Amino acid sequence: AQTVTQSQPEMSVQEAETVTLSCTYDTSENNYYLFWYKQPPSRQMILVIRQEAYKQQNATENRFSVNFQKAAKSFSLKISDSQLGDTAMYFCAFMKLFNAGNNRKLIWGLGTSLGVNP
Amino acid sequence: DAGVTQSPTHLIKTRGQHVTLRCSPISGHKSVSWYQQVLGQGPQFIFQYYEKEERGRGNFPDRFSARQFPNYSSELNVNALLLGDSALYLCASSLEPGPKKQYFGPGTRLTVT
Repeated sequence: AQTVTQSQPEMSVQEAETVTLSCTYDTSENNYYLFWYKQPPSRQMILVIRQEAYKQQNATENRFSVNFQKAAKSFSLKISDSQLGDTAMYFCAFMKLFNAGNNRKLIWGLGTSLGVNP
Repeated sequence: DAGVTQSPTHLIKTRGQHVTLRCSPISGHKSVSWYQQVLGQGPQFIFQYYEKEERGRGNFPDRFSARQFPNYSSELNVNALLLGDSALYLCASSLEPGPKKQYFGPGTRLTVT
């Protein structure tokens, strides 16, 4: 079974600085997807960034980038130029590419609570 | 276009009661997934439906059931509520099952007393 581990329950960063959130996962699969989701106090889960395991190039979305280390099964999220609006819970999630019954479920970590300080 | 909508927003029930949660996906989306998020934890997969058929079921007891209607909206039903069912229930919609972008609704906060 796949598992996702986020070892940092809470983190804080000063506005405009850079912060890195850690995520490790365990799987025997070779083809899969990894995601970072953001859940602000409004509870709406928002996709931040997605990485396909078969791609060596790290995904980037504006101020958000990942460091994907497939061999180490590590998938960290870097937030540059942190903004107050980045304050939220951040969840790392895993999805198998192929699954019996063709279902596509996300497997989630416990989350990291990020606070951005002015 | 409207995003994923869920109703009700909040709900308080008593142990042993039954509850129905509703989800309307984004127009054109045919896949709906349900997740349970207990306070302080990550979401747990409950069900996935695509084209009105169940495509996946998580490790939840038979008290949990769901269905998808011809308009692709979905209901999650929970019978014989337990205190441990208190959680945020999230619905996500996508064009089809898979790693394409899933859009989440705001969730329904269920409290069982």
